[in-house]
Amino acid sequence: DTEVTQTPKHLVMGMTNKKSLKCEQHMGHRAMYWYKQKAKKPPELMFVYSYEKLSINESVPSRFSPECPNSSLLNLHLHALQPEDSALYLCASSQDSGGANVLTFGAGSRLTVL
Amino acid sequence: GQNIDQPTEMTATEGAIVQINCTYQTSGFNGLFWYQQHAGEAPTFLSYNVLDGLEEKGRFSSFLSRSKGYSYLLLKELQMKDSASYLCAVRAGYGNNRLAFGKGNQVVVIP
Repeated sequence: DTEVTQTPKHLVMGMTNKKSLKCEQHMGHRAMYWYKQKAKKPPELMFVYSYEKLSINESVPSRFSPECPNSSLLNLHLHALQPEDSALYLCASSQDSGGANVLTFGAGSRLTVL
Repeated sequence: GQNIDQPTEMTATEGAIVQINCTYQTSGFNGLFWYQQHAGEAPTFLSYNVLDGLEEKGRFSSFLSRSKGYSYLLLKELQMKDSASYLCAVRAGYGNNRLAFGKGNQVVVIP
């Protein structure tokens, strides 16, 4: 299995809703990432988990709350989002060891906040 | 912080060669990656450079000059399916996991 699977593919939510994005990989990777990508812009790093511990938080607002229940799963909990948070949310994983440490990306969850 | 610059769009003919440039300014450089992203899809890994020089992988080659803060991706024998955005990403700083992407260069291949 060489894939990163993200669900849901599309999500529409109101500003008062609570929802979660989910990400799963079975490649034995020990680092997992959340990126946010707006249209025609590059992916922007949000969070990194390394060996199930949060290692990087790029000053992301607290309305985004990551969780790593185990080495294969990564969640992003969403609460009280704003319309400007509408974007493609990409999950990625990597071996988190020496060498290239190449990131493998999922297809993304496209979020629309009304 | 990191500053990564790429030109925005180019059009090329099927069968041609195209070169996509990337310049960067960063401290603690620890590798440069090229990714391909088709519209609405995930970025997919193309190449990795950490030492100066040329890395060749089939129709794609990538070059790095660390002293100049410069890389290019060379796409040969262009095919229609190569129409995509090409993203340069730099890893730098503490640890092995902070990867920052440039704006990307949209390549449109025409018959």
